[in-house]
Amino acid sequence: AQSVTQLDSHVSVSEGTPVLLRCNYSSSYSPSLFWYVQHPNKGLQLLLKYTSAATLVKGINGFEAEFKKSETSFHLTKPSAHMSDAAEYFCVVRGGSTNAGGTSYGKLTFGQGTILTVHP
Amino acid sequence: KAGVTQTPRYLIKTRGQQVTLSCSPISGHRSVSWYQQTPGQGLQFLFEYFSETQRNKGNFPGRFSGRQFSNSRSEMNVSTLELGDSALYLCASSPPLQGGGEQFFGPGTRLTVL
Repeated sequence: AQSVTQLDSHVSVSEGTPVLLRCNYSSSYSPSLFWYVQHPNKGLQLLLKYTSAATLVKGINGFEAEFKKSETSFHLTKPSAHMSDAAEYFCVVRGGSTNAGGTSYGKLTFGQGTILTVHP
Repeated sequence: KAGVTQTPRYLIKTRGQQVTLSCSPISGHRSVSWYQQTPGQGLQFLFEYFSETQRNKGNFPGRFSGRQFSNSRSEMNVSTLELGDSALYLCASSPPLQGGGEQFFGPGTRLTVL
């Protein structure tokens, strides 16, 4: 079984200051981990993914995340927040397997989300 | 490439009715998953289809069903609607790659049950 815990339901920062959104995971397999962002009344957009390559993963819009197996963490960071970063962020774990055709499958398990507020 | 499309975008139904939602995946994607998003329960997995076969199923009652067609388009159906079924229903498709496993989401269908 797999699960994800986002440690903060709300994070508030000032524009230009660093962002840290915390995520711990639990997985029976070597996990695939993702961060998605959801702006109001919009669908989910993939920010970045970890799939057992480099432990420091760079994503879009200046975000990055570091996979720490010993701490079972996958925290999302950004050096300098922008007003347009205000949104809800989801840490996601995917377990599963790859079939002979090379297509992976399995369900995504989402954290409860962290709402990021950016003040001018 | 066009993204994942979902129709309709908004839907209002009354209790006891049934509803069908449609999802067209990104061209070339054969895996389609469905999720329900509510303020109280967050994002929950409904089911996943690959090549017209249901591969995974979440913990939802049998009133929730789905199918996938040979062109990978998918539909989900909810029968005997309840007030608690009001939610944003998201569809996602996955590319045919090993590893990774990221899913690309559509804009969702907002279902309101009165």
